[in-house]
Amino acid sequence: GAGVSQTPSNKVTEKGKYVELRCDPISGHTALYWYRQSLGQGPEFLIYFQGTGAADDSGLPNDRFFAVRPEGSVSTLKIQRTERGDSAVYLCASSLRGDGYTFGSGTRLTVV
Amino acid sequence: KNEVEQSPQNLTAQEGEFITINCSYSVGISALHWLQQHPGGGIVSLFMLSSGKKKHGRLIATINIQEKHSSLHITASHPRDSAVYICAVDTGRRALTFGSGTRLQVQP
Repeated sequence: GAGVSQTPSNKVTEKGKYVELRCDPISGHTALYWYRQSLGQGPEFLIYFQGTGAADDSGLPNDRFFAVRPEGSVSTLKIQRTERGDSAVYLCASSLRGDGYTFGSGTRLTVV
Repeated sequence: KNEVEQSPQNLTAQEGEFITINCSYSVGISALHWLQQHPGGGIVSLFMLSSGKKKHGRLIATINIQEKHSSLHITASHPRDSAVYICAVDTGRRALTFGSGTRLQVQP
């Protein structure tokens, strides 16, 4: 596509529920990044994919968070047993060779 | 201490003023990015720098690698420039490290 698409744009869920956030990167971009941004803060790194594999998942806060990119294109960030502290904007970015990044508009997750 | 520090955190300016936002970093980098984020919106890449200076319209970005410092300047500021400006560095560790952003409000 023309840009990085993230769906849904907003998600409200109850504490304890499971959520999936989707990122559709720019076609042909091999690198895909997930970040989390809390109010008033800069984005924090979660996980980075190069192709289908997670090249660096050191930013995932705990084992409730998991992400996949099975065909090297679309990625899904999965959060189990959501907690109120998971409320944030989840940003996705893609890059061809790390020499320029295109960001999606983010998914605003609210856990009530 | 954060690896990327921005100042000021908040900035209010009158339309037409010259604006400077600063970014200091404490790690070795391959590139530095200036990004713009509007409320409720995604992030737009403004500049990627590895040395020297870049200009795009009313925006100018400079970097001093020896001093580990970069500045973003906005000339003839306009209310539509109101946004959060974020500095991010590429350390070669495969993901950007972001500053906490500078919230700019330009009043008419």
